[in-house]
Amino acid sequence: GAVVSQHPSRVICKSGTSVKIECRSLDFQATTMFWYRQFPKKSLMLMATSNEGSKATYEQGVEKDKFLINHASLTLSTLTVTSAHPEDSSFYICSARGMAGYEQYFGPGTRLTVT
Amino acid sequence: GQQLNQSPQSMFIQEGEDVSMNCTSSSIFNTWLWYKQDPGEGPVLLIALYKAGELTSNGRLTAQFGITRKDSFLNISASIPSDVGIYFCAGQFTAGNKLTFGGGTRVLVKP
Repeated sequence: GAVVSQHPSRVICKSGTSVKIECRSLDFQATTMFWYRQFPKKSLMLMATSNEGSKATYEQGVEKDKFLINHASLTLSTLTVTSAHPEDSSFYICSARGMAGYEQYFGPGTRLTVT
Repeated sequence: GQQLNQSPQSMFIQEGEDVSMNCTSSSIFNTWLWYKQDPGEGPVLLIALYKAGELTSNGRLTAQFGITRKDSFLNISASIPSDVGIYFCAGQFTAGNKLTFGGGTRVLVKP
Protein backbone atom coordinates (compact mmCIF):
# COMPACT_ATOMS: atom_id res chain seq x y z
CA GLY A 1 0.00 0.00 0.00
CA ALA A 2 0.84 3.72 0.06
CA VAL A 3 2.00 4.00 -3.53
CA VAL A 4 2.58 7.36 -5.14
CA SER A 5 3.18 7.67 -8.87
CA GLN A 6 4.59 10.53 -10.88
CA HIS A 7 4.39 11.23 -14.57
CA PRO A 8 6.44 11.77 -16.59
CA SER A 9 9.59 10.28 -15.13
CA ARG A 10 11.76 12.34 -17.47
CA VAL A 11 11.00 15.35 -19.62
CA ILE A 12 13.10 17.57 -21.84
CA CYS A 13 11.62 20.85 -22.92
CA LYS A 14 12.74 23.99 -24.67
CA SER A 15 13.32 27.22 -22.82
CA GLY A 16 10.15 29.29 -22.61
CA THR A 17 7.73 26.40 -22.73
CA SER A 18 5.64 25.04 -19.86
CA VAL A 19 5.76 21.55 -18.41
CA LYS A 20 3.16 19.76 -16.30
CA ILE A 21 4.07 17.01 -13.84
CA GLU A 22 1.38 14.78 -12.34
CA CYS A 23 1.44 13.16 -8.94
CA ARG A 24 -1.08 10.51 -7.97
CA SER A 25 -1.72 8.56 -4.80
CA LEU A 26 -2.76 5.15 -6.10
CA ASP A 27 -4.17 3.36 -3.08
CA PHE A 28 -4.99 6.01 -0.53
CA GLN A 29 -6.57 9.42 -0.33
CA ALA A 30 -4.00 12.16 0.04
CA THR A 31 -5.37 15.08 1.98
CA THR A 32 -2.04 16.82 1.61
CA MET A 33 0.53 16.67 -1.16
CA PHE A 34 3.96 18.19 -1.22
CA TRP A 35 6.31 19.19 -4.00
CA TYR A 36 10.05 19.06 -3.52
CA ARG A 37 13.01 19.95 -5.61
CA GLN A 38 16.31 18.16 -5.26
CA PHE A 39 19.67 19.32 -6.56
CA PRO A 40 22.47 16.80 -7.17
CA LYS A 41 23.86 15.35 -3.96
CA LYS A 42 21.60 17.55 -1.85
CA SER A 43 18.68 16.99 0.44
CA LEU A 44 15.08 17.61 -0.53
CA MET A 45 13.93 21.20 -0.65
CA LEU A 46 10.23 21.74 -0.02
CA MET A 47 8.66 23.99 -2.62
CA ALA A 48 5.01 23.98 -1.63
CA THR A 49 2.30 22.20 0.30
CA SER A 50 -1.14 21.67 -1.17
CA ASN A 51 -4.35 20.58 0.46
CA GLU A 52 -7.13 19.19 -1.68
CA GLY A 53 -9.45 21.90 -2.89
CA SER A 54 -7.47 24.84 -1.57
CA LYS A 55 -4.60 27.00 -2.72
CA ALA A 56 -1.08 25.77 -2.25
CA THR A 57 1.19 27.23 0.40
CA TYR A 58 4.56 28.09 -1.06
CA GLU A 59 7.85 28.15 0.78
CA GLN A 60 9.80 31.36 0.99
CA GLY A 61 11.65 32.09 -2.23
CA VAL A 62 9.49 29.87 -4.44
CA GLU A 63 7.67 31.81 -7.15
CA LYS A 64 4.03 30.78 -7.10
CA ASP A 65 3.40 32.21 -10.57
CA LYS A 66 6.21 30.12 -11.99
CA PHE A 67 5.42 26.87 -10.22
CA LEU A 68 1.67 26.42 -10.46
CA ILE A 69 0.22 23.75 -8.22
CA ASN A 70 -3.24 22.29 -8.47
CA HIS A 71 -4.67 19.70 -6.08
CA ALA A 72 -8.11 19.14 -7.53
CA SER A 73 -8.83 15.73 -6.02
CA LEU A 74 -7.74 13.54 -3.14
CA THR A 75 -5.57 11.47 -5.46
CA LEU A 76 -4.09 13.97 -7.91
CA SER A 77 -1.86 17.01 -7.71
CA THR A 78 -0.09 18.71 -10.59
CA LEU A 79 2.93 20.97 -10.77
CA THR A 80 3.28 23.16 -13.84
CA VAL A 81 6.60 24.83 -14.46
CA THR A 82 5.73 27.85 -16.56
CA SER A 83 8.08 29.56 -18.99
CA ALA A 84 10.83 27.13 -18.07
CA HIS A 85 14.46 28.18 -18.13
CA PRO A 86 17.62 26.07 -17.93
CA GLU A 87 18.00 26.93 -14.24
CA ASP A 88 14.69 25.14 -13.62
CA SER A 89 16.33 21.89 -14.64
CA SER A 90 16.18 19.66 -11.61
CA PHE A 91 14.71 16.55 -10.02
CA TYR A 92 11.16 17.23 -8.83
CA ILE A 93 9.60 14.86 -6.33
CA CYS A 94 6.09 14.84 -4.99
CA SER A 95 4.89 13.22 -1.81
CA ALA A 96 1.50 12.50 -0.34
CA ARG A 97 0.13 12.17 3.13
CA GLY A 98 -3.08 10.47 4.12
CA MET A 99 -5.66 11.47 6.67
CA ALA A 100 -3.74 10.05 9.63
CA GLY A 101 -1.23 12.82 9.06
CA TYR A 102 2.02 11.19 10.08
CA GLU A 103 3.64 9.20 7.31
CA GLN A 104 4.53 10.77 4.03
CA TYR A 105 5.11 8.72 0.88
CA PHE A 106 7.14 9.88 -2.08
CA GLY A 107 6.74 9.48 -5.80
CA PRO A 108 9.62 8.26 -7.98
CA GLY A 109 10.53 11.76 -9.12
CA THR A 110 10.60 13.60 -12.43
CA ARG A 111 13.86 14.66 -14.05
CA LEU A 112 13.27 17.97 -15.87
CA THR A 113 15.85 19.21 -18.36
CA VAL A 114 15.30 22.58 -19.97
CA THR A 115 17.38 23.22 -23.08
CA GLY B 1 14.03 27.59 11.92
CA GLN B 2 14.33 23.94 12.74
CA GLN B 3 17.45 22.17 11.51
CA LEU B 4 18.42 18.54 11.43
CA ASN B 5 22.08 17.61 11.52
CA GLN B 6 22.67 14.19 10.04
CA SER B 7 25.95 12.35 10.37
CA PRO B 8 28.03 11.00 8.95
CA GLN B 9 27.60 12.71 5.58
CA SER B 10 29.00 9.62 3.89
CA MET B 11 30.36 6.26 4.82
CA PHE B 12 31.89 3.23 3.18
CA ILE B 13 30.59 -0.18 4.07
CA GLN B 14 31.96 -3.63 3.64
CA GLU B 15 29.52 -6.46 3.18
CA GLY B 16 28.58 -7.95 6.51
CA GLU B 17 29.40 -4.86 8.56
CA ASP B 18 26.96 -3.08 10.83
CA VAL B 19 26.55 0.64 10.15
CA SER B 20 25.01 3.44 12.10
CA MET B 21 23.91 6.98 11.37
CA ASN B 22 22.14 9.58 13.43
CA CYS B 23 20.26 12.84 13.36
CA THR B 24 20.16 15.56 15.95
CA SER B 25 17.88 18.54 16.17
CA SER B 26 17.95 21.89 17.87
CA SER B 27 14.29 21.46 18.77
CA ILE B 28 11.99 18.58 19.58
CA PHE B 29 10.06 16.44 17.15
CA ASN B 30 7.16 14.14 17.88
CA THR B 31 7.65 11.92 14.85
CA TRP B 32 10.87 10.72 13.25
CA LEU B 33 10.97 9.09 9.85
CA TRP B 34 13.85 7.39 8.05
CA TYR B 35 13.95 7.17 4.26
CA LYS B 36 16.29 5.60 1.71
CA GLN B 37 16.79 7.08 -1.74
CA ASP B 38 18.36 5.21 -4.64
CA PRO B 39 19.88 7.17 -7.54
CA GLY B 40 17.22 8.68 -9.78
CA GLU B 41 14.39 7.55 -7.51
CA GLY B 42 12.21 9.08 -4.86
CA PRO B 43 12.79 8.37 -1.15
CA VAL B 44 11.24 5.21 0.24
CA LEU B 45 9.98 5.15 3.82
CA LEU B 46 11.92 2.65 5.93
CA ILE B 47 10.83 3.23 9.50
CA ALA B 48 8.49 5.61 11.32
CA LEU B 49 8.88 6.41 15.02
CA TYR B 50 6.12 8.01 17.07
CA LYS B 51 7.16 7.85 20.69
CA ALA B 52 10.21 9.01 22.64
CA GLY B 53 12.40 6.04 23.50
CA GLU B 54 10.74 3.84 20.89
CA LEU B 55 12.96 1.24 19.21
CA THR B 56 11.59 -0.16 15.96
CA SER B 57 12.98 -2.73 13.54
CA ASN B 58 12.30 -3.43 9.89
CA GLY B 59 14.33 -6.46 8.83
CA ARG B 60 18.00 -5.60 9.25
CA LEU B 61 17.16 -1.99 10.04
CA THR B 62 16.66 -0.68 13.55
CA ALA B 63 15.83 2.89 14.47
CA GLN B 64 15.35 4.61 17.77
CA PHE B 65 13.54 7.76 18.78
CA GLY B 66 15.75 9.54 21.29
CA ILE B 67 14.39 10.06 24.77
CA THR B 68 14.93 13.83 24.55
CA ARG B 69 12.93 13.87 21.27
CA LYS B 70 15.82 15.75 19.69
CA ASP B 71 17.63 12.84 18.09
CA SER B 72 17.24 9.54 16.32
CA PHE B 73 19.57 6.88 14.99
CA LEU B 74 19.36 4.22 12.32
CA ASN B 75 21.37 1.00 12.37
CA ILE B 76 21.83 -1.39 9.49
CA SER B 77 23.06 -4.81 10.51
CA ALA B 78 25.02 -7.19 8.30
CA SER B 79 25.10 -4.77 5.37
CA ILE B 80 24.71 -6.03 1.82
CA PRO B 81 25.53 -4.31 -1.48
CA SER B 82 21.95 -3.16 -2.05
CA ASP B 83 22.13 -1.09 1.15
CA VAL B 84 24.07 1.46 -0.91
CA GLY B 85 22.14 4.68 -1.32
CA ILE B 86 21.32 7.87 0.52
CA TYR B 87 19.53 7.70 3.84
CA PHE B 88 17.53 10.68 5.09
CA CYS B 89 16.08 11.32 8.48
CA ALA B 90 13.04 13.56 8.76
CA GLY B 91 11.30 15.05 11.75
CA GLN B 92 7.76 16.25 12.19
CA PHE B 93 6.51 18.27 15.13
CA THR B 94 2.84 17.41 14.90
CA ALA B 95 0.64 15.47 12.52
CA GLY B 96 -0.11 17.73 9.61
CA ASN B 97 3.16 19.63 9.83
CA LYS B 98 5.68 19.56 7.03
CA LEU B 99 8.76 17.39 7.39
CA THR B 100 12.19 18.75 8.18
CA PHE B 101 14.90 16.70 6.47
CA GLY B 102 18.46 15.97 7.43
CA GLY B 103 21.21 16.44 4.87
CA GLY B 104 21.45 12.73 4.15
CA THR B 105 24.01 10.01 4.72
CA ARG B 106 25.51 8.58 1.55
CA VAL B 107 26.34 4.91 1.99
CA LEU B 108 28.92 3.57 -0.44
CA VAL B 109 30.64 0.23 -0.87
CA LYS B 110 34.31 -0.03 0.02
CA PRO B 111 36.38 -0.53 -3.12
